[in-house]
Amino acid sequence: DTEVTQTPKHLVMGMTNKKSLKCEQHMGHRAMYWYKQKAKKPPELMFVYSYEKLSINESVPSRFSPECPNSSLLNLHLHALQPEDSALYLCASSQPVGRGYEQYFGPGTRLTVT
Amino acid sequence: DQQVKQNSPSLSVQEGRISILNCDYTNSMFDYFLWYKKYPAEGPTFLISISSIKDKNEDGRFTVFLNKSAKHLSLHIVPSQPGDSAVYFCAARGPYGNKLVFGAGTILRVKS
Repeated sequence: DTEVTQTPKHLVMGMTNKKSLKCEQHMGHRAMYWYKQKAKKPPELMFVYSYEKLSINESVPSRFSPECPNSSLLNLHLHALQPEDSALYLCASSQPVGRGYEQYFGPGTRLTVT
Repeated sequence: DQQVKQNSPSLSVQEGRISILNCDYTNSMFDYFLWYKKYPAEGPTFLISISSIKDKNEDGRFTVFLNKSAKHLSLHIVPSQPGDSAVYFCAARGPYGNKLVFGAGTILRVKS
């Protein structure tokens, strides 16, 4: 099973709203990732969690707040977003560093900020 | 600074023929390379990968070739099928952590 699930599939939110994106995997992977993808662009890394600890933050604005409650779940809390934050948000998981490099992606959450 | 480049935005191939997608990189510290396929409104799907210590890896219809001296890799799809029509991303792994750097992608259209 190489499935990563993400909810919701689509999200529309105003600039004053607070919402969360959720990601789940049951492959026993101990590294999880958030990416942002704009139209016709490659995915851009936002955060990496390794063994439930934040290991990489690619200078992402604080209005994006990641959380890894356990080894299977990854959340991205959103607050006071801007219209330019509208994008496809992708979650991925992989074995930890040194044990495998293939990252498996979820279907993404299409976020629109109005 | 684009460290991973896919210089062909699109490629059109006849069904049954070979598709060759190319990727160039600039950072000699990259040690692992991956190809992903992406359909619209879906997440990228892992296709095939290659370690920097190898020059070829094959999986069914997909073969990846790595030329380290030229900092170039290519994905060969033989025979191409209409279902292969998608965006193909090349990605490279840096030496620290599991960070992947993606190329801009190449749109492959396989015509029947």
